[in-house]
Amino acid sequence: DVKVTQSSRYLVKRTGEKVFLECVQDMDHENMFWYRQDPGLGLRLIYFSYDVKMKEKGDIPEGYSVSREKKERFSLILESASTNQTSMYLCASTPWYSGANVLTFGAGSRLTVL
Amino acid sequence: DQQVKQNSPSLSVQEGRISILNCDYTNSMFDYFLWYKKYPAEGPTFLISISSIKDKNEDGRFTVFLNKSAKHLSLHIVPSQPGDSAVYFCAACLSGAGSYQLTFGKGTKLSVIP
Repeated sequence: DVKVTQSSRYLVKRTGEKVFLECVQDMDHENMFWYRQDPGLGLRLIYFSYDVKMKEKGDIPEGYSVSREKKERFSLILESASTNQTSMYLCASTPWYSGANVLTFGAGSRLTVL
Repeated sequence: DQQVKQNSPSLSVQEGRISILNCDYTNSMFDYFLWYKKYPAEGPTFLISISSIKDKNEDGRFTVFLNKSAKHLSLHIVPSQPGDSAVYFCAACLSGAGSYQLTFGKGTKLSVIP
């Protein structure tokens, strides 16, 4: 089974702090994604990457950046955390192939910004 | 512009009865549809999918129906069990090569009452 691991399950940070959320997948998937989930808003795509050092903006990239230095690792960075970034963050991956993508998600990182 | 809509935020069903979760989409280019299930404090897990060339796909207690002319799909769970209580997300995508993104609905919280 594909495993997507998010190292931090719960984080509490202060406004203005820099926050790193790490995600690692172990199935050599090309594509990796960061979503945030908020009640009543569903899952919204922040950024995705289809290759090492490649990144594409999703629907809500403002206030976030990403890093993909190795194929298995995709990091989400909040340069200066704000209270409206309090959310559940979900990382996902999928292989590259011609067809529909079934995302495999990690367990999530719940971030609280005070 | 919300391209995938789940208009019922919540649904309560008696154990043993049928649960019907609905989803509408506006983008006629979508040709692959998926349902994900999410428990609290866990990542979403893939449940079932359907291609636009089909109008029904069944997997055990779960059946997804697609009505392309109405741009509507539904997930039927029969019989419903308490362990089915979760948030269900409908998602849609373009299945051709290079399609990386799933567009999610806001989710429907299903409660199965014992």
